[in-house]
Amino acid sequence: QQQVKQSPQSLIVQKGGISIINCAYENTAFDYFPWYQQFPGKGPALLIAIRPDVSEKKEGRFTISFNKSAKQFSLHIMDSQPGDSATYFCAASKYSGYALNFGKGTSLLVTP
Amino acid sequence: KAGVTQTPRYLIKTRGQQVTLSCSPISGHRSVSWYQQTPGQGLQFLFEYFSETQRNKGNFPGRFSGRQFSNSRSEMNVSTLELGDSALYLCASSLAATQETQYFGPGTRLLVL
Repeated sequence: QQQVKQSPQSLIVQKGGISIINCAYENTAFDYFPWYQQFPGKGPALLIAIRPDVSEKKEGRFTISFNKSAKQFSLHIMDSQPGDSATYFCAASKYSGYALNFGKGTSLLVTP
Repeated sequence: KAGVTQTPRYLIKTRGQQVTLSCSPISGHRSVSWYQQTPGQGLQFLFEYFSETQRNKGNFPGRFSGRQFSNSRSEMNVSTLELGDSALYLCASSLAATQETQYFGPGTRLLVL
């Protein structure tokens, strides 16, 4: 059973545009929500993470928006660049559990 | 600081065989987790070790097992391989019990024929 649902499955954005990826979860015990970026042939790398006590976190061009009541969170990539073309995974875990529950991933292509 | 290393990077086995994969965490990291990545199921948690003890286990059959050594290095073993075990096996390490950030290695690509 997929505990974290991610959409869209794939996304094409023009250079300079905004990329938006959405995730939803059911387990209210989750309290850590990271996003990972994965390039072909590499392992996932942590991009940005949020805890449910804040509604938004920004790091450079990457922003997580978190809606606790709706049990949804999203990744916004501002001024998307061709180098951002990768697969993005959202995840969720309980603080003490360390088992990351991943979404199925979004393949992002940023066109020049 | 060197990242998480995994060996071997690629492996081809036949059904019924067993395989052992190795993971060396980032120096100083004591927690090691294993994940299976497939196109159909995505990334799925296998198990997590901290100070040589398995703390968490995912929903995988008993053919999948692991262990952690006193230097935090970890191995995972899959016995009686099935075609469906073909996947990228990822190891991730984190600093300590209160550290959520998991740093992933490049993975071991296993192909079962």
